[in-house]
Amino acid sequence: NAGVMQNPRHLVRRRGQEARLRCSPMKGHSHVYWYRQLPEEGLKFMVYLQKENIIDESGMPKERFSAEFPKEGPSILRIQQVVRGDSAAYFCASSPRAVTLGYGYTFGSGTRLTVV
Amino acid sequence: AQTVTQSQPEMSVQEAETVTLSCTYDTSENNYYLFWYKQPPSRQMILVIRQEAYKQQNATENRFSVNFQKAAKSFSLKISDSQLGDTAMYFCAFLETSGSRLTFGEGTQLTVNP
Repeated sequence: NAGVMQNPRHLVRRRGQEARLRCSPMKGHSHVYWYRQLPEEGLKFMVYLQKENIIDESGMPKERFSAEFPKEGPSILRIQQVVRGDSAAYFCASSPRAVTLGYGYTFGSGTRLTVV
Repeated sequence: AQTVTQSQPEMSVQEAETVTLSCTYDTSENNYYLFWYKQPPSRQMILVIRQEAYKQQNATENRFSVNFQKAAKSFSLKISDSQLGDTAMYFCAFLETSGSRLTFGEGTQLTVNP
């Protein structure tokens, strides 16, 4: 079991470009969560998705950010027209079901986005 | 909304000694889960220990144990016989039973010195 795979591990974008971050959940996991870690801070929840559905996007910035988890393929976090403040580590986690018992969260190693 | 506070940005300990990391939280929920995660320089988030709020017994995992004080909303992590590989950032996290999102503290950077 390869675990939660995120790519790329490092991503550099110029201001105004688009960033696409990919997350392949663990085999058998149909729930995906995205978190952002700004420098010197803890992880902050962004969005929770099941296959083809956004369940909770209350942590997503209102503009420029979007997420999807299609029926086939990885989950994608897309950031349009990136700004320097978007520089952060973006983590994906997956679980086989809604995390109602406190079990099942498995994190990837994150994508470090640097906006220059 | 839940909040999680870690008041120690940095801690250090000598190898083989014991260290305690502090965490307090605020919630109006009665049932929830608490976690400690370890983040080494590789950035991987590794679950260290998990506590269910309705269980009075403190969780233990080998050298790691917690002191869970529900009334005080305190959840500290004790690392015994510290090892060099324990050097990492440690995050306390909260999960309400009806929710799916983890709420993290700001983290404590632990350094184990030889």
